[in-house]
Amino acid sequence: KNEVEQSPQNLTAQEGEFITINCSYSVGISALHWLQQHPGGGIVSLFMLSSGKKKHGRLIATINIQEKHSSLHITASHPRDSAVYICAVRRGSQGNLIFGKGTKLSVKP
Amino acid sequence: DAMVIQNPRYQVTQFGKPVTLSCSQTLNHNVMYWYQQKSSQAPKLLFHYYDKDFNNEADTPDNFQSRRPNTSFCFLDIRSPGLGDAAMYLCATSRGLDYEQYFGPGTRLTVT
Repeated sequence: KNEVEQSPQNLTAQEGEFITINCSYSVGISALHWLQQHPGGGIVSLFMLSSGKKKHGRLIATINIQEKHSSLHITASHPRDSAVYICAVRRGSQGNLIFGKGTKLSVKP
Repeated sequence: DAMVIQNPRYQVTQFGKPVTLSCSQTLNHNVMYWYQQKSSQAPKLLFHYYDKDFNNEADTPDNFQSRRPNTSFCFLDIRSPGLGDAAMYLCATSRGLDYEQYFGPGTRLTVT
């Protein structure tokens, strides 16, 4: 079993829909990252969380440390949100991130 | 704008011919990372530098080496590329190990 599991693997939505991507992990962590990767492109860091909730524009990320679970929400989705969204956790004080396999989001106009 | 720059964006090399990928940063971050990402897979950390201290992941092949001559630059050397080394190579930086990582656009390596 992977240490970081994301669901769903693939998600297709209509423009304007509210989107939720989930991440569960099985190890103790010091922080959780949500990353965005566009086709053929580099990775953009969206959030780094160690507790609670963060909001940036239409994006909201939450984390429940006790349940070892995080969600990324996108409100009023737009075709430009189409990308792979990756959850990654940092275990303890180590620098390396453990990555989930990503959720491929496609938002149709 | 402060950023992470990778050159080249696309690199084609022949089987067994050494190749060097370059990463530079204007963020003055202490840590620089190299990741390998194969198609439809998650990025895999190869190694990282914390200042001049080199930290190799246990399963990184000896074929992969890295140099960091100064704070701003870090190089990935692949001594004898095989077909299985074709991938996107991502460089990232962070202020410290517990800080957010900033990624470059990646170099896509093709091995012929």
